[in-house]
Amino acid sequence: KQEVTQIPAALSVPEGENLVLNCSFTDSAIYNLQWFRQDPGKGLTSLLLIQSSQREQTSGRLNASLDKSSGRSTLYIAASQPGDSATYLCAVRYNTDKLIFGTGTRLQVFP
Amino acid sequence: GAVVSQHPSWVICKSGTSVKIECRSLDFQATTMFWYRQFPKQSLMLMATSNEGSKATYEQGVEKDKFLINHASLTLSTLTVTSAHPEDSSFYICALWIFAGGSTDTQYFGPGTRLTVL
Repeated sequence: KQEVTQIPAALSVPEGENLVLNCSFTDSAIYNLQWFRQDPGKGLTSLLLIQSSQREQTSGRLNASLDKSSGRSTLYIAASQPGDSATYLCAVRYNTDKLIFGTGTRLQVFP
Repeated sequence: GAVVSQHPSWVICKSGTSVKIECRSLDFQATTMFWYRQFPKQSLMLMATSNEGSKATYEQGVEKDKFLINHASLTLSTLTVTSAHPEDSSFYICALWIFAGGSTDTQYFGPGTRLTVL
């Protein structure tokens, strides 16, 4: 069964800290992996998409890495800010149109 | 990217009534849309894949007679929760594919609809 899990489930940190969010998947034959942000009661915003042939992607203070062989991806957030507070979801796409979402990490960054 | 809207953004209804949720693609034509459900503090679970001009494909465990999906045009898909009950209370989110070609294809998500059944 293809499953995606994320740890930690919740994280609360002071502003300025560098953060690492983890995502693991049971089937390593992925097509791509995507990180999303979800604000409370809102839809999803795509942050980064990593193709299966890539090892990392960067956007501003965000860096996502992919290690297919170990079934893991990490999202690194540098110099966290209160505005980064949200739930972060990773989603894996296999060779279909479907995305399998992880369980999410709820992040709170306090001033 | 694509802009996806949903209407209504929230709805409260009595048990036994039917509720229709609309998902619109404002700037792209979408032959395929997806409907997800999200319970509080849980992740998104795919309910069904909506295909323009044909029947939707439902995930295992999702009752197709309860969750009616219509994708009559390239810019509109609707989800109707029939005879809603309190356990149907959830956050419903639609998404559509934008095919850029290859493994960079991505889904764009609507803002979601909060359904509360009393």
